[in-house]
Amino acid sequence: RKEVEQDPGPFNVPEGATVAFNCTYSNSASQSFFWYRQDCRKEPKLLMSVYSSGNEDGRFTAQLNRASQYISLLIRDSKLSDSATYLCVVGTQAGTALIFGKGTTLSVSS
Amino acid sequence: DAGVIQSPRHEVTEMGQEVTLRCKPISGHNSLFWYRQTMMRGLELLIYFNNNVPIDDSGMPEDRFSAKMPNASFSTLKIQPSEPRDSAVYFCASSPGTGPYEQYFGPGTRLTVT
Repeated sequence: RKEVEQDPGPFNVPEGATVAFNCTYSNSASQSFFWYRQDCRKEPKLLMSVYSSGNEDGRFTAQLNRASQYISLLIRDSKLSDSATYLCVVGTQAGTALIFGKGTTLSVSS
Repeated sequence: DAGVIQSPRHEVTEMGQEVTLRCKPISGHNSLFWYRQTMMRGLELLIYFNNNVPIDDSGMPEDRFSAKMPNASFSTLKIQPSEPRDSAVYFCASSPGTGPYEQYFGPGTRLTVT
């Protein structure tokens, strides 16, 4: 089983739609969780951290289910500018590297 | 505040040549990571350093790859000799601590080996 798994997509949605991405991780000892965004031919950029209680940043909502080892990202009212690849990222313990999923591609069209 | 700086941004070289990629992490960050990204394999961790010390180099593909971090503000990734299959985007990232903290990526070096 891969350490971090994501549906690669692509997800093709119209502007204004709500879209959700899911991610599962294999290591139950994982401690930190993030969503990164990567635009075409650019570097990954931190979108948001994911907290146990769930958290929201504008149109973006992230949730964590430790029991199921599952992370989600919800994007409401999609914009054309949301088109990108979204990477699910998990950190296990101090002194170790983060583990990146292969990403889910989102394409928002007008 | 300056982010992670990488140079060169693009490198085209012939097979067999030595390639050196450079990275300056964000000031105050004590962890540095080198990644390689291709369409086929996604983002792969090559090596990372904590406080200038290499911690895990298990992702380095083979002996042709080497990385150094002589001080807290500079790191290099060297490929010698280069091969066409090394063509990829190489990212450097830094992190503010030795815990599983968020990482901040540089713009990457797009390497093409012909």
